[in-house]
Amino acid sequence: EPEVTQTPSHQVTQMGQEVILRCVPISNHLYFYWYRQILGQKVEFLVSFYNNEISEKSEIFDDQFSVERPDGSNFTLKIRSTKLEDSAMYFCASRNQQRGVSYNEQFFGPGTRLTVL
Amino acid sequence: GENVEQHPSTLSVQEGDSAVIKCTYSDSASNYFPWYKQELGKRPQLIIDIRSNVGEKKDQRIAVTLNKTAKHFSLHITETQPEDSAVYFCAASYNSNYQLIWGAGTKLIIKP
Repeated sequence: EPEVTQTPSHQVTQMGQEVILRCVPISNHLYFYWYRQILGQKVEFLVSFYNNEISEKSEIFDDQFSVERPDGSNFTLKIRSTKLEDSAMYFCASRNQQRGVSYNEQFFGPGTRLTVL
Repeated sequence: GENVEQHPSTLSVQEGDSAVIKCTYSDSASNYFPWYKQELGKRPQLIIDIRSNVGEKKDQRIAVTLNKTAKHFSLHITETQPEDSAVYFCAASYNSNYQLIWGAGTKLIIKP
């Protein structure tokens, strides 16, 4: 069964450094999402992406964040200048659409644990 | 924007008993309500979902009910088993992007 994959599984960085988190969504999915989960807290929506552009973003997704689909398979989240409070688990998710029908279910990757020191 | 409240934060039940987790949402435009199970250190996994045009949905031991008037929905797990122990999250989605707004989670503990 196809799955969403994410790399790396764990990223440790110094405050102020740039990080890029990578995701490979399920191949025929057209909608992509990033969420984050601070340890012990709820999952928070960051951004949704469709048709090569951001379709919606939350208040968390400020100018230090950006997303990109550099090729036909990868979907990346870049944090330009990391802060201590960016430490969290970052989940990528993807959703299908076929023949004009949207499927609701989002499939999640295993997450990247980002630790900012 | 949408806000989802979830209760209780922790639920401990005897193996074989039923468990009920409740969520409320604020945006009457919300139309999709999934429930995710997350085991420690793992990704969230969808266990059941319901759309706003349906009042109840059941899948073996798991059921979800939706009350659109009251803007709340509940997860029911019957005949609980040790492997049901996990954190359960409700979520709501209110537009065509289907981005999910999540509840705070319920830690379900099944006592042997």
